[in-house]
Amino acid sequence: DAGVIQSPRHEVTEMGQEVTLRCKPISGHDYLFWYRQTMMRGLELLIYFNNNVPIDDSGMPEDRFSAKMPNASFSTLKIQPSEPRDSAVYFCASSRSGSQHFGDGTRLSIL
Amino acid sequence: GENVEQHPSTLSVQEGDSAVIKCTYSDSASNYFPWYKQELGKGPQLIIDIRSNVGEKKDQRIAVTLNKTAKHFSLHITETQPEDSAVYFCAASSQSEKLVFGKGTKLTVNP
Repeated sequence: DAGVIQSPRHEVTEMGQEVTLRCKPISGHDYLFWYRQTMMRGLELLIYFNNNVPIDDSGMPEDRFSAKMPNASFSTLKIQPSEPRDSAVYFCASSRSGSQHFGDGTRLSIL
Repeated sequence: GENVEQHPSTLSVQEGDSAVIKCTYSDSASNYFPWYKQELGKGPQLIIDIRSNVGEKKDQRIAVTLNKTAKHFSLHITETQPEDSAVYFCAASSQSEKLVFGKGTKLTVNP
């Protein structure tokens, strides 16, 4: 059974560039979550969807961040323009009935 | 909103000893408490969870206890092995599907 799949695994780009992170949730899961992990702030919830609809985006740091879920098998997190302080590991997770399953993350470095 | 405190931040034990990690939460309405294990370069992996209608749950060498009155829950690992070395996160949920995580405990099991 395939788990949550994220791409790319690593991304290095210069500040000001647009960054798009991708996630394929586990088939049959109806919730999808985007998290950011840093040493200073730990694991932070950015936004989550239920049945492809955004439910809570209160964790999105600012307007430079946006997320979409066009269908049940795909979601994107976009940062435009990117800044060095956005450097972190970004995780996608999906769930059905409470138990969240995480992908292996995208390590993002903004130079 | 919910706040989860986790202690200790680091824990070093000898192989074969037990390890205990403790978490407290603030929202008395929280009803779901999962524990995650994160290895280097990987996403958090769910290892055990407990709901508020249960006081203790065991799965082989891992157990979780919950004290709703005191609003704290603990992870117990017995007969620790070097492969148990990782960062462990507790979390709590006071509303549908949304988790709040502790800051993590880095467990080192010395051979």
